[in-house]
Amino acid sequence: QQQVKQSPQSLIVQKGGISIINCAYENTAFDYFPWYQQFPGKGPALLIAIRPDVSEKKEGRFTISFNKSAKQFSLHIMDSQPGDSATYFCAAYNYGQNFVFGPGTRLSVLP
Amino acid sequence: DTEVTQTPKHLVMGMTNKKSLKCEQHMGHRAMYWYKQKAKKPPELMFVYSYEKLSINESVPSRFSPECPNSSLLNLHLHALQPEDSALYLCASSQDLYGGYTFGSGTRLTVV
Repeated sequence: QQQVKQSPQSLIVQKGGISIINCAYENTAFDYFPWYQQFPGKGPALLIAIRPDVSEKKEGRFTISFNKSAKQFSLHIMDSQPGDSATYFCAAYNYGQNFVFGPGTRLSVLP
Repeated sequence: DTEVTQTPKHLVMGMTNKKSLKCEQHMGHRAMYWYKQKAKKPPELMFVYSYEKLSINESVPSRFSPECPNSSLLNLHLHALQPEDSALYLCASSQDLYGGYTFGSGTRLTVV
């Protein structure tokens, strides 16, 4: 119930392409869904987040799509750049509990 | 100031040593966290402090001892660690227990 599944485990995209990472959860009590970006040797950085009353949120090249009925959400990176190469973690959270992180996706954007 | 600062960045310690990791934030956040991260894995929660009180201890061995001296500082005291404790130790903070985290860059700990 507390798990968040994430796919793919790794992803290779050409520069300018679209990167798509998917996550799924079981616990319907989750009400906050952030994405974190982590570069080697650094801590995770909050990239974008969404609450379940919204189906889509866009910030620059990053978009979260949220499907409440399917209990799925995804991160889309448009016009992917080599500088986007990092590990991406989705997470889910409900008040009074703690973040549950997905296992991570290693994204490589080829120049 | 929108950062969480962790010191030291790297630490090598023997199994009989005692050392401390430090974390500082000046964003007025009232919740602070210690996470442990192994290579190619997501962060694992160790401790949560809310309003300077320990609210969650995720069954962490007693060789790890957290301390929150004030609302801006968080320490993690280490003693008698094992080689398998080698990892990246991350500190994070949030406005309260409901909201996005700000992570520090971590302390890379190696136990020899």
